Parts: sequence; structure tokens; C-alpha cells
Amino acid sequence: GAGVSQSPSNKVTEKGKDVELRCDPISGHTALYWYRQRLGQGLEFLIYFQGNSAPDKSGLPSDRFSAERTGESVSTLTIQRTQQEDSAVYLCASSPGGVSPLHFGNGTRLTVT
Amino acid sequence: SQQGEEDPQALSIQEGENATMNCSYKTSINNLQWYRQNSGRGLVHLILIRSNEREKHSGRLRVTLDTSKKSSSLLITASRAADTASYFCATDGNQFYFGTGTSLTVIP
Repeated sequence: GAGVSQSPSNKVTEKGKDVELRCDPISGHTALYWYRQRLGQGLEFLIYFQGNSAPDKSGLPSDRFSAERTGESVSTLTIQRTQQEDSAVYLCASSPGGVSPLHFGNGTRLTVT
Repeated sequence: SQQGEEDPQALSIQEGENATMNCSYKTSINNLQWYRQNSGRGLVHLILIRSNEREKHSGRLRVTLDTSKKSSSLLITASRAADTASYFCATDGNQFYFGTGTSLTVIP
């Protein structure tokens, strides 16, 4: 079956513009995660969705970042008024929940010029 | 704050040698997972070890877990050039905290 799909794979934007990143999780996966990875760094947790529960937004770095998920389907991560420090690979992962591994997409590489 | 920390940050070995990476974490866990990342893109799950397990094997991979020391190790035996990648540990919790990773280079 299809894996986690992220789009676009690459995005170049000008400082100050808004961007929207999309994640299509594996069908049936109730849990969905967003991470940010700066060049040569580890994964920085951003936000976690589990079913219809309120999302865990504790990792969002500022109010310029927001994310939505409709039910157990697609999620979008929005960054408003982008800054150069937002340049990174944004990774999405999904899982069936419980004690299960995460399935990652290939990420969106965001470059803010 | 992030939970896991891998050690060493970088490791370079000859093909055929064994590679050992370590992970330390801060709080109690239910399970710990290891992932591999190629080319700075998506991570691939390698192995999961539960808190009541001390050792687990999968092919050329061997993972140990010491909950008293809050540490885990990943051993890759008989390494191959294709094992060149970054390796991350992740501890459970709502957020699945990932460490900073070990960059492994296997020289043919």
C-alpha cells in the first residue's frame, strides 16, 4: 500500500510569505506527527495529532506555525510570515497508535530566501 | 526538550567491521526505537525494544536496553557500505522524542 506522502517535496519562498505543507498519512493511521530537521541536526518535534483528541502543539516554535488535521486524514502545516531560520526539512510521520513504529514521509525541504 | 542523545555523533569504520552506537535518555519509557535516515529525508524504522526487554536481535542488528542507566545501544555487525546513514533513537511518549543522531560512514 501507499506510504506517507508529503507535498511539495521542495519549496522555495521569499521571506515574509506564507507557506502550506501537506501530509497524507497511511490510511487507518490515527496518529500523525510533524517534525522539523535543520541541516545536520536531529528531529525537532512540532505537533502531534491522535484521532479526534486535541492536538499536542507544545513543540510549535512560535505563533507563526499552525497545523490542522481533518479527522484521520490529511494534515497541513502552515508557516506564516516565513523567516530564514524556518529553512529546514519538515517531516511528517503516521502510526496506528499504541506501541507501533512511525512511518515517515520523505519530507518537504523548505528554503526561505 | 528533546529526550534522546546518541553517542558518538559521527563514526567511520571499514566494511566488515562492527558499529556500535549508544543512546541515553532522561525519563521513564515504555519502549525505545531505532531509526535510520538516508540523505536527510524520511526515516526508516529498524527495531523496537520494550522497557521489559534487555536485548533484541533483527538480522545484523542487535539492540540492548538498560533502563537503570537509561541507555540503549545499537550494534550493526559485519557492516556494509549500504549501512552508511544517520541513526536515531526515539523514546515513546505522546511526542516520540528523537535524539540528535549518529552519522555512520562505512568505507568500502
